[in-house]
Amino acid sequence: GQNIDQPTEMTATEGAIVQINCTYQTSGFNGLFWYQQHAGEAPTFLSYNVLDGLEEKGRFSSFLSRSKGYSYLLLKELQMKDSASYLCAVMDSNYQLIWGAGTKLIIKP
Amino acid sequence: TAGITQAPTSQILAAGRSMTLRCTQDMRHNAMYWYRQDLGLGLRLIHYSNTAGSTGKGEVPDGYSVSRANTDDFPLTLASAVPSQTSVYFCASSDAGTAGGELFFGEGSRLTVL
Repeated sequence: GQNIDQPTEMTATEGAIVQINCTYQTSGFNGLFWYQQHAGEAPTFLSYNVLDGLEEKGRFSSFLSRSKGYSYLLLKELQMKDSASYLCAVMDSNYQLIWGAGTKLIIKP
Repeated sequence: TAGITQAPTSQILAAGRSMTLRCTQDMRHNAMYWYRQDLGLGLRLIHYSNTAGSTGKGEVPDGYSVSRANTDDFPLTLASAVPSQTSVYFCASSDAGTAGGELFFGEGSRLTVL
């Protein structure tokens, strides 16, 4: 079966750096997405990786290793507003998105 | 720009009753999706539509039906609600012609079936 694994919850300190990992086993691969979801709100797009390597976008970066079935989302200079759930999703060979359960990130002052 | 609008935002429904969740987008996206989100689980695809007039089943389609009469609207119907359909439902759209196209989500509809 298809599977996306990410930690359930992480805690970090304001101003610090945190790395959220995602491992996947899917039928084919057509890209990996990260979404941010604040409590009670809709998910919003953060990043997309289809080739190996690091994609940087401001304070957020996303890394992909297709051979290892692994990605991470790196958040720098953490702010209180970064407290949210971070969802990892992989597009399979049928161009369907397979979603992880999400990682709840708690930022402490 | 409104993006995607869902209605209602919240509803309590008696088991056995029918319910239609409405979804409208103004971005002229070809593809639209209905997901349910339950605590501890990833978003699960219920039904999708790649273009007006065409629909397909997702991972958890049983008990749900959809229609896509035009580009903008994609309603989700529960014919006879059961308590296991208590969930938060998200409608989403994307420009299906773009590989890696991001999904745009509505604000969600919280449904409780008693």
